[in-house]
Amino acid sequence: GQNIDQPTEMTATEGAIVQINCTYQTSGFNGLFWYQQHAGEAPTFLSYNVLDGLEEKGRFSSFLSRSKGYSYLLLKELQMKDSASYLCALVDSNYQLIWGAGTKLIIKP
Amino acid sequence: IAGITQAPTSQILAAGRRMTLRCTQDMRHNAMYWYRQDLGLGLRLIHYSNTAGTTGKGEVPDGYSVSRANTDDFPLTLASAVPSQTSVYFCASSDAREGNTGELFFGEGSRLTVL
Repeated sequence: GQNIDQPTEMTATEGAIVQINCTYQTSGFNGLFWYQQHAGEAPTFLSYNVLDGLEEKGRFSSFLSRSKGYSYLLLKELQMKDSASYLCALVDSNYQLIWGAGTKLIIKP
Repeated sequence: IAGITQAPTSQILAAGRRMTLRCTQDMRHNAMYWYRQDLGLGLRLIHYSNTAGTTGKGEVPDGYSVSRANTDDFPLTLASAVPSQTSVYFCASSDAREGNTGELFFGEGSRLTVL
């Protein structure tokens, strides 16, 4: 079967760094997405990893280890506007997306 | 502005009524999707379409139907709404290629309450 887990909620301080983890179990893997979703809004694309390693994009970076079934999203220099839910989604063997429940990130001043 | 548009934004519906959620995209994406999002759960795929004229069932298709008469439109119909269909519905599209789903672009969502 397929399973994807991420923490329900995290709290961090403005200006700090936070790492949001995503672990998964799947029989077939064709990539992993991270999306950001502000309350009451649509999810928006952040990153896509299909190979092992770190992808950096400004203040946001995403890491993937296929052998460990593990990914993380790293947010640096946190800003209040980063308060949102962060959704992890893996692409299965049929190229369908399997979504995690999302991690709600709360940024405090 | 290019993108994906959903209507209505919000709707309260009596149980047993028929309801169609509309979705239109102007990005010429081949693939379109309907998801529902419920508190504490991940996005769950209801139906999808890889190209105009074809549709497929997702994880939770029961009680829903879709059609894809052309590239741009992908309406979702609830034939006889039930309270468990109370949810936020997101339509999405992507430029899916062989071996690559492509980035999904989402509409703003339709909040449906079935009483």
